[in-house]
Amino acid sequence: GENVEQHPSTLSVQEGDSAVIKCTYSDSASNYFPWYKQELGKRPQLIIDIRSNVGEKKDQRIAVTLNKTAKHFSLHITETQPEDSAVYFCAASDTGGFKTIFGAGTRLFVKA
Amino acid sequence: SAVISQKPSRDICQRGTSLTIQCQVDSQVTMMFWYRQQPGQSLTLIATANQGSEATYESGFVIDKFPISRPNLTFSTLTVSNMSPEDSSIYLCSVEIVAGELFFGEGSRLTVL
Repeated sequence: GENVEQHPSTLSVQEGDSAVIKCTYSDSASNYFPWYKQELGKRPQLIIDIRSNVGEKKDQRIAVTLNKTAKHFSLHITETQPEDSAVYFCAASDTGGFKTIFGAGTRLFVKA
Repeated sequence: SAVISQKPSRDICQRGTSLTIQCQVDSQVTMMFWYRQQPGQSLTLIATANQGSEATYESGFVIDKFPISRPNLTFSTLTVSNMSPEDSSIYLCSVEIVAGELFFGEGSRLTVL
């Protein structure tokens, strides 16, 4: 089955700096790669996603890149703000199988 | 998007008892998913629930321990049976509206003493 690895487990940046979180996956059949943000005590919420026919996607300060050959994908947050502090989960799924597997999570601290 | 309501939001339970968590969605969905999130950990898929058929369980999860019902397209329940302290966790219901995109309920935080 699918296995998703995520690094780093903890990331601390200064406000205004960029943050990068990296994930790798094992199943070449995976074709959908979402990123979820979970604030303390809250539910995970989708913040951005990328499908396998696209190499990069951007939404304001957030961007994702996908390298299908190497089976890795990354989340980039620019101009970080304190409200970006949260746990971020990458995930992978084969939308035909409808099963989403999550990475271990990255706890991001943005220091003001 | 979807509005997903889970009950209870939290509970404290005694060892050996069972608890049923309810998940109600504001629209009809084909598949509902139950995840477990242990303290400070990631989300682990327990099972996928389709209406009208038995749930499909992931490795490490069995129907006797986590029976699931899916009586219609807007509702599901997850029961945590014969609980032990290791079952203390947040249990999350989720649905897929657009292919692959999951929406989660607020979660049910269980503490087993």
